[in-house]
Amino acid sequence: GQQLNQSPQSMFIQEGEDVSMNCTSSSIFNTWLWYKQDPGEGPVLLIALYKAGELTSNGRLTAQFGITRKDSFLNISASIPSDVGIYFCAGQGAGNNRKLIWGLGTSLAVNP
Amino acid sequence: DAGVIQSPRHEVTEMGQEVTLRCKPISGHDYLFWYRQTMMRGLELLIYFNNNVPIDDSGMPEDRFSAKMPNASFSTLKIQPSEPRDSAVYFCASSYYGQEQYFGPGTRLTVT
Repeated sequence: GQQLNQSPQSMFIQEGEDVSMNCTSSSIFNTWLWYKQDPGEGPVLLIALYKAGELTSNGRLTAQFGITRKDSFLNISASIPSDVGIYFCAGQGAGNNRKLIWGLGTSLAVNP
Repeated sequence: DAGVIQSPRHEVTEMGQEVTLRCKPISGHDYLFWYRQTMMRGLELLIYFNNNVPIDDSGMPEDRFSAKMPNASFSTLKIQPSEPRDSAVYFCASSYYGQEQYFGPGTRLTVT
C-alpha cells in the first residue's frame, strides 16, 4: 500500500539538542497527524494539522502543515530522555475515505 | 476517561488455531480501525467501520481474516486458521469523525 516518505529513519542525539523530522507525499492531504510510539504501547497522538501552512505547538513540539499540502515536519526542542521512541507521521486525503497513510517512522534515541 | 481497550494483550497460539482479538472503542466515537504492525511493513490498515458498518476492508489479507462490530462498544478481529506469518502486533483505534485516531495498547500475537 501507499506509504509516506519519512526521514530520517533514525536519529541519535544528545540531551538538550533540537530535533527535526519530516514527511513527504506524492499526494495532497487535508490532514496531517504526528504520533509517538513507546515500546510495547500503541501510538499516541501528538499534534493534528488541518490547514495548509498551519503551525501548531504542543509543549516542546512544533509541527507544520506544508503549504503544498504534500509535506509536514515535526520539531522537538531541547530534547530530554523521555523523548525516546518512534515518531510517525500520517496523512489523510480529501473525501469520505478516512484511511490514514503512514510513514515508516523515525526512531529517536537521546543520550543523557 | 477510559481509552481504547484491547484484549488480550498477548496471545500465543499454534498454527491452525482460531484467534479472536477484542476491542472496546472510546465511548462516543463513531469510527473504529483495525491495524497490524510489523517491522517489515509498518502500520497497515486492515479494516475500518463507521457506525458499526464496515466501510473499507481492502487491507484484510485474505479470507482467513474477518472482523465484526455488533454494536458501538465492541469489535472483534478473528483469524481462522492462524499461520506463523500472522505474527504481529494488532492495534485497534477509534475516532470521532474519522480524523484523529486514538489507539489501544495492542495485542501481540505469536503463532508458532
